[in-house]
Amino acid sequence: SSELTQDPAVSVALGQTVRLTCQGDSLRSSYASWYLQKPGQAPVLLMYGKNNRPSGIPDRFSGSSSGNTASLTITGAQAEDEGDYYCNSRDGSVNHVVFGGGTKLTVL
Amino acid sequence: QVQLVESGGGVVQPGESLRLSCAASGLIFSSYGMHWVRQAPGKGLEWVAFIRYDGSFKYYADSVKGRLTISRDNFNNTLYFQMNNLRPEDTAMYYCAKDVERYYNSGSYDSWGQGTLVTVSS
Repeated sequence: SSELTQDPAVSVALGQTVRLTCQGDSLRSSYASWYLQKPGQAPVLLMYGKNNRPSGIPDRFSGSSSGNTASLTITGAQAEDEGDYYCNSRDGSVNHVVFGGGTKLTVL
Repeated sequence: QVQLVESGGGVVQPGESLRLSCAASGLIFSSYGMHWVRQAPGKGLEWVAFIRYDGSFKYYADSVKGRLTISRDNFNNTLYFQMNNLRPEDTAMYYCAKDVERYYNSGSYDSWGQGTLVTVSS
């Protein structure tokens, strides 16, 4: 099965912009979805498809993709954006999904 | 709003069984694919099972195939996960999650339960 690679930890200053990346072969043919999980809570879907944001997700979150890399950009990071960010994508031709290992985002 | 409530977790010994449930409300349950996603303590997320909106197709991660079975009762708006021959490596928080699609595993899960903890230990 495919793998998705994320940076283990990233930090960003309050109000600045940060881009989180997700790399893997499956991203050449499938869009990534992005999730934020805060300690002790279930994940929350942030972005999916070409650039779809569920209702209630602030527009400071945006997604993009190129080749085997998907990116989540937070424009003007807020303190409440701290947490673990996970990407996933469909795994090739099977009805399976693979998650990245997650990125711990710290807002300084 | 959509609410998913898992139950059935607990502490079991290797080789034993458990049945998880996920009660859904606030949505037309029979219209969406559903999943079980697990997270081992201190680790990342792992997708483990998907069931199509009508229960006609089921898909499993290789790590659980043959031991864990996903099913659903659309009349009672409930998702199930029968877990047999449990192993220590199955120890995790188990989340049920709703897909944005009905026919296939899109990877986009827009509603999650709070999770139920399964611990497999002798």
